Amino acid sequence: SSELTQDPAVSVALGQTVRITCQGDSLRSFYVSWYQQKPGQAPLLVFYGKNNRPSGIPDRLSGSSSGNTASLTITGAQAEDEADYYCNSRDSSGSHVVFGGGTKLTVL
Amino acid sequence: DVQLVESGGGLVKPGGSLRLSCAASGFTFSSYSMNWVRQAPGKGLEWVSSITSHSNYIYYADSVKGRFTISRDNADNSLYLQMNSLRVEDTAIYYCARAPSPRILTGEMDVWGKGTTVTVSS
Repeated sequence: SSELTQDPAVSVALGQTVRITCQGDSLRSFYVSWYQQKPGQAPLLVFYGKNNRPSGIPDRLSGSSSGNTASLTITGAQAEDEADYYCNSRDSSGSHVVFGGGTKLTVL
Repeated sequence: DVQLVESGGGLVKPGGSLRLSCAASGFTFSSYSMNWVRQAPGKGLEWVSSITSHSNYIYYADSVKGRFTISRDNADNSLYLQMNSLRVEDTAIYYCARAPSPRILTGEMDVWGKGTTVTVSS
C-alpha cells in the first residue's frame, strides 16, 4: 500500500477546472512532485517543490499544499491533459521516496 | 539535448540476474543525483533506488533491498542497476530519472529515459 493516497479516477469537462489531490502524513514535512504520464510514454515532471513548474509546462497546471494534502489544479482543462497523474514525495521515515497510486484524468 | 537511455532489459528466469545501464548525455552527469523507478504492467510508478552525485549516499526500496545494487560511473556518464535473485514481481519497465539538483530523496525527477523492459518468467 502507498503512503500517498490519490483518487483512482477524476473527470473534467473540456475547459473546466479540476483538482487532483494527494494525501499523506509525509506531506506535512516534505514537498510533493507531480508527474503526468500518457499511454506508452515515460512520466513527465509537471510541478514540484514549493512553486516550481518546469519549462514547457503550461501555466494552467499549478500546485498547492495544505497540511497533509497536496493538489494539482488544471485550470481550463484541454484534451491533451488527459493522462495519468502521480504525486511523490519523501516518505515519513525520510529514507525512501514514495509514489501515490495515480489518478486517471478523463477530459470529457 | 539532455537525454537518458536505458538498456539491458530482457527475459530472465526467477532467481536470475540482470544489469541495467542508463547512458546520460547533454548535461554534467556528475552534478546530479540519479534514480531508478519501475512500473509493472498496468500498474503505477514505484521508486526503486537513488544515488547521490558522487555515490556517497544510496537508498533502496524495501522490496529490492539486498537484491539490487545501484551504482554509477561519472567518468563514463553512466548509471547502473545490478539486479539479483529476480522474482516474477520484479517484472516491469525500469526507468532511470535525474534529480534536478544534487539533493537526494526529494522525489523530484526532471529528466526520464524511455525505459527498458524486464520480464521475469519461467
